[in-house]
Amino acid sequence: GEDVEQSLFLSVREGDSSVINCTYTDSSSTYLYWYKQEPGAGLQLLTYIFSNMDMKQDQRLTVLLNKKDKHLSLRIADTQTGDSAIYFCAESKYNQGGKLIFGQGTELSVKP
Amino acid sequence: KAGVTQTPRYLIKTRGQQVTLSCSPISGHRSVSWYQQTPGQGLQFLFEYFSETQRNKGNFPGRFSGRQFSNSRSEMNVSTLELGDSALYLCASSLDPSGRGTGELFFGEGSRLTVL
Repeated sequence: GEDVEQSLFLSVREGDSSVINCTYTDSSSTYLYWYKQEPGAGLQLLTYIFSNMDMKQDQRLTVLLNKKDKHLSLRIADTQTGDSAIYFCAESKYNQGGKLIFGQGTELSVKP
Repeated sequence: KAGVTQTPRYLIKTRGQQVTLSCSPISGHRSVSWYQQTPGQGLQFLFEYFSETQRNKGNFPGRFSGRQFSNSRSEMNVSTLELGDSALYLCASSLDPSGRGTGELFFGEGSRLTVL
């Protein structure tokens, strides 16, 4: 079946690293995504990883994929107050490119 | 390069009415997908269009429909509105000609629909 799970809240101090976790059930996932949503706004694509990769780094963002455990994580280094938002994990399957299955979202709160 | 543009941004309707939302994808993108976001159900896939054809469909009733024009712009329509249709409707575009996924799916700011 299709299911993507995330913890609902995470609170960190400014300057610390944040790690947001996600688990998925469908082993046929092709791409796994991280999106950011600020209040009243749409979804901003942060990064994505193809299912045959283990890790992807992009500036302050590091994505780790454990295919065996179907676990995806997003690490934000040197977290800033501007990183406070809701972060969504999503997966897509082969031949269903525009159809994403989203997790419930993790609300990240960054305290100064 | 302009992003995904959705209009209108906000609208208020009453039960029983119908609504049409519009989405202009990023230039060159031929795939357009629609999503509904509510506090209770989260983000749910409605449908995807590519080259004026519906390519994927989610689990929504027939009151929800869409179409895509030859310039890739897309519209979605909700008829006989219910209170539960109040939501943020998000449109996304991607290059993905094969449908196998390209890794880059870009979203607009959404149209917030309130049904009274």
